[in-house]
Amino acid sequence: EPEVTQTPSHQVTQMGQEVILRCVPISNHLYFYWYRQILGQKVEFLVSFYNNEISEKSEIFDDQFSVERPDGSNFTLKIRSTKLEDSAMYFCASCDTGSPLHFGNGTRLTVT
Amino acid sequence: GENVEQHPSTLSVQEGDSAVIKCTYSDSASNYFPWYKQELGKGPQLIIDIRSNVGEKKDQRIAVTLNKTAKHFSLHITETQPEDSAVYFCAATLNQAGTALIFGKGTTLSVSS
Repeated sequence: EPEVTQTPSHQVTQMGQEVILRCVPISNHLYFYWYRQILGQKVEFLVSFYNNEISEKSEIFDDQFSVERPDGSNFTLKIRSTKLEDSAMYFCASCDTGSPLHFGNGTRLTVT
Repeated sequence: GENVEQHPSTLSVQEGDSAVIKCTYSDSASNYFPWYKQELGKGPQLIIDIRSNVGEKKDQRIAVTLNKTAKHFSLHITETQPEDSAVYFCAATLNQAGTALIFGKGTTLSVSS
């Protein structure tokens, strides 16, 4: 069964550094998402992306965040200047019209 | 915006018993309600979903019921097994694709043998 693939599985960075989290969505899917889960808490929506532009974003997704689909397969989340509170699991997800949302296994981001 | 409340936060049952997890949502326009299971170190995995034009859906030991008037939906797991132990999240959204899926806070289900 096709899967959403995320790399790296764990990223450690220093406060103030830029990080890029990478995702390869399921190949025929058209809608792409990033969600965040702080340890022990619920999964929170960050942003959705369709047709090469942001469809919707949450309050969490401020100017420090950006998303990009640099080629036909990758979907990235960039955090420009990381803060301690950005430490969380970041999940990429994708779907097609009429199909359920499929999540990757996440990238654990640790900001020190 | 949509807000999803989920109860209980933890649930412990004996193997073979049933487990019920309940959620309420605030936006009457929401029309798609999936349930996800999250095992340690993994992403959420869809286990069952229901649309607002259906009151109940069943898949083997798992069933979901929806009451649109009361704006609540529930997950029912029968004949629980130790491998059912995980965190379960309910969610709600207006449209399945393109808009935010809003999650509840999760229920940690423990099934003891």
